[in-house]
Amino acid sequence: DQQVKQNSPSLSVQEGRISILNCDYTNSMFDYFLWYKKYPAEGPTFLISISSIKDKNEDGRFTVFLNKSAKHLSLHIVPSQPGDSAVYFCAASNAGKSTFGDGTTLTVKP
Amino acid sequence: GAVVSQHPSWVICKSGTSVKIECRSLDFQATTMFWYRQFPKQSLMLMATSNEGSKATYEQGVEKDKFLINHASLTLSTLTVTSAHPEDSSFYICSANAGHSNQPQHFGDGTRLSIL
Repeated sequence: DQQVKQNSPSLSVQEGRISILNCDYTNSMFDYFLWYKKYPAEGPTFLISISSIKDKNEDGRFTVFLNKSAKHLSLHIVPSQPGDSAVYFCAASNAGKSTFGDGTTLTVKP
Repeated sequence: GAVVSQHPSWVICKSGTSVKIECRSLDFQATTMFWYRQFPKQSLMLMATSNEGSKATYEQGVEKDKFLINHASLTLSTLTVTSAHPEDSSFYICSANAGHSNQPQHFGDGTRLSIL
């Protein structure tokens, strides 16, 4: 049973537009949520996170929204840039142990 | 920022060989490191949590005798794939927390293991 799901394996957006990446989870014990970005042949790098006591966290072009009742989080990137093209993983954490989604490949077209 | 170095980045070896992968935290101490395995187009699957000075905690379904983990210091954890077979071919990646448990993990660049 996959506890963290990213239902869209890929997303393509035009440069300058908004990218919205979605993530659903099933375990209500998760108390911390993170987004990581991964380029080919590199390890994931941390992007942004949110605690379960919040519903929004913003950092520059990146905003993460958390809807606890729906067990859903999303990452908004605006405006999207070609350099944002990568695989994005959401992760849900409990007691320091993270469970990852399968990732969404974002392609931002110039 | 916190840097995690993983070595080697790519290994090709014959079936039956044991392969050791190193994971080092370069500029911070990590009491806990994590080992993941990733299949193509799939998620990072946690294999085990490596604890400095104590035995690793393995996830369900991961063979302890197959994947030996040693965390001998606060900056180094090793994963040894013993008697590797083609089905062990995968992308292995480690991570470490620089601070408390809810801090983001810092990942190494992974090791591509190919068993012939």
